[in-house]
Amino acid sequence: KAGVTQTPRYLIKTRGQQVTLSCSPISGHRSVSWYQQTPGQGLQFLFEYFSETQRNKGNFPGRFSGRQFSNSRSEMNVSTLELGDSALYLCASSHGSSQQYFGPGTRLTVL
Amino acid sequence: EDKVVQSPLSLVVHEGDTVTLNCSYEVTNFRSLLWYKQEKKAPTFLFMLTSSGIEKKSGRLSSILDKKELFSILNITATQTGDSAVYLCAVDYGGSQGNLIFGKGTKLSVKP
Repeated sequence: KAGVTQTPRYLIKTRGQQVTLSCSPISGHRSVSWYQQTPGQGLQFLFEYFSETQRNKGNFPGRFSGRQFSNSRSEMNVSTLELGDSALYLCASSHGSSQQYFGPGTRLTVL
Repeated sequence: EDKVVQSPLSLVVHEGDTVTLNCSYEVTNFRSLLWYKQEKKAPTFLFMLTSSGIEKKSGRLSSILDKKELFSILNITATQTGDSAVYLCAVDYGGSQGNLIFGKGTKLSVKP
């Protein structure tokens, strides 16, 4: 079975721009979660989607949004980028249990 | 506030040493505790613990959960340089399944 894939792997943007990141879960997994990882804050939960519905949301501003498609693929969008948004964005999928399988991440740098 | 605290934050040992990594938690609706290993990018799953006192083992790694005292430990015996990584502890809590809160991780460096 193919693992979780994320595109792009690296991204450089400037302040004020917006960005869209993509995640394809493991086949058969309907839950997709997004996390932001920074050296200072560690891994922080952004949101979780299940069957195209957002089930949970972390404590992030409204500039961070996401969606899930009928094939379980998910995208997250960050609008009006700030320098502090520079981070590794990780996507994880699961088949309904606590155990989540992570993708390789997208390294976003905001200049 | 729900939180997961790992200690130590970093650790340097020599090959062959045994290490113990700690994870304590305070969450409103505990379901399970998970350990992950992160070397470069994607955290890889090690263990999931749901019951107190039952040790999970995989080769030189083992982990146990104490739900009364709200902590877990991850043991690595006969460490190797390939064990160098950040070890992450996460707790599935509240809401619907799949809602994980992570500790900041323990960075383990194993010197030859």
